[in-house]
Amino acid sequence: KAGVTQTPRYLIKTRGQQVTLSCSPISGHRSVSWYQQTPGQGLQFLFEYFSETQRNKGNFPGRFSGRQFSNSRSEMNVSTLELGDSALYLCASSLAAGGPNEQFFGPGTRLTVL
Amino acid sequence: AQTVTQSQPEMSVQEAETVTLSCTYDTSENNYYLFWYKQPPSRQMILVIRQEAYKQQNATENRFSVNFQKAAKSFSLKISDSQLGDTAMYFCAGDMNRDDKIIFGKGTRLHILP
Repeated sequence: KAGVTQTPRYLIKTRGQQVTLSCSPISGHRSVSWYQQTPGQGLQFLFEYFSETQRNKGNFPGRFSGRQFSNSRSEMNVSTLELGDSALYLCASSLAAGGPNEQFFGPGTRLTVL
Repeated sequence: AQTVTQSQPEMSVQEAETVTLSCTYDTSENNYYLFWYKQPPSRQMILVIRQEAYKQQNATENRFSVNFQKAAKSFSLKISDSQLGDTAMYFCAGDMNRDDKIIFGKGTRLHILP
């Protein structure tokens, strides 16, 4: 069974631009979560989607948005990029949302904002 | 607010030794789920072990075990007979609220020395 895939793996953008990251969950998984990982802050929860609906949202500005498609693939978008948005963005999928469900992580997209 | 705290940013131990990683958390919920995830250098994050709060018995997975102290809100990870492949960043995490948002600690970087 293929694991969680994220594209692109690396991205370099400049301030003010916008970016779209993609995540394909493990087949059959309906929940997709996004995290921002930085050395200083660790993993911070961005949002979670389940069956095309945003189920949870973290404390990030409205510049961060996401969506999930009927095939459970998910995208996140960051508009008006800031230097502080440079981070590793991780996507994780699970069979169902919450509880004891194991999250399976993708390799991440490393975003650098210049 | 729910929080997860890992007080050891970095640790080093000799191969074959036993090491314990600390984690404390805060929640007002009575039933919740706790996890330890491992992120090897340049590799994907994987689940090491999980614990359900209503189960008094400590979870064990081969060389990995936890010491779950519910009253003290402590959830430490013990790695026995440590191996070079255990070198990684370890994150303590919890699903401790009704909206199932998973909160991660800032991580402990563990080095296993030959």
